[in-house]
Amino acid sequence: GAVVSQHPSWVICKSGTSVKIECRSLDFQATTMFWYRQFPKQSLMLMATSNEGSKATYEQGVEKDKFLINHASLTLSTLTVTSAHPEDSSFYICSARAGRSRSPLHFGNGTRLTVT
Amino acid sequence: GENVEQHPSTLSVQEGDSAVIKCTYSDSASNYFPWYKQELGKRPQLIIDIRSNVGEKKDQRIAVTLNKTAKHFSLHITETQPEDSAVYFCAASGRDDKIIFGKGTRLHILP
Repeated sequence: GAVVSQHPSWVICKSGTSVKIECRSLDFQATTMFWYRQFPKQSLMLMATSNEGSKATYEQGVEKDKFLINHASLTLSTLTVTSAHPEDSSFYICSARAGRSRSPLHFGNGTRLTVT
Repeated sequence: GENVEQHPSTLSVQEGDSAVIKCTYSDSASNYFPWYKQELGKRPQLIIDIRSNVGEKKDQRIAVTLNKTAKHFSLHITETQPEDSAVYFCAASGRDDKIIFGKGTRLHILP
């Protein structure tokens, strides 16, 4: 149980284009999902908290107009990287909790974004 | 907000020996502390977690201890095996329900 599916697993795009990443909880409902970014050999940096039916909460330093998050249903959150630049190239991972607070996060497989 | 420090950044131990990774956190309201293992190119996988009402938890070769007063917690892996080689992340979750990760420890098990 508690499976999180993330698509695509990798994507290459040109500078200036936008890329959408989907995160789905397959066998549970997630009112809250979390989006992380991971650079090579570095930690998971929380970008934003995605809340079903309301606006996402962004961490300090994360541009909300660049990283658009939509959480339209209890099983789907999307992250859109708008007007992508090479410095946006990274590994993006979504996660969700199957239960209330003090329960584990379950991670998607991640999306490796390369902007050329 | 919460800040999690993790040490060491790299750890090499002989196969069969024990490995210990230590973390500290800043927010005294944090009450949930998971540990994740991440192999190269894969998603992080939960290996063990501990809640603030418990001081120690063990699962086969893996144990975690928590000292709320000192705000630190540790991961202990005994009888290490080659498949234990990976990056390990500690994390803390508190009043705002976010999970904040440490910088990770790259564990190498030497043959």
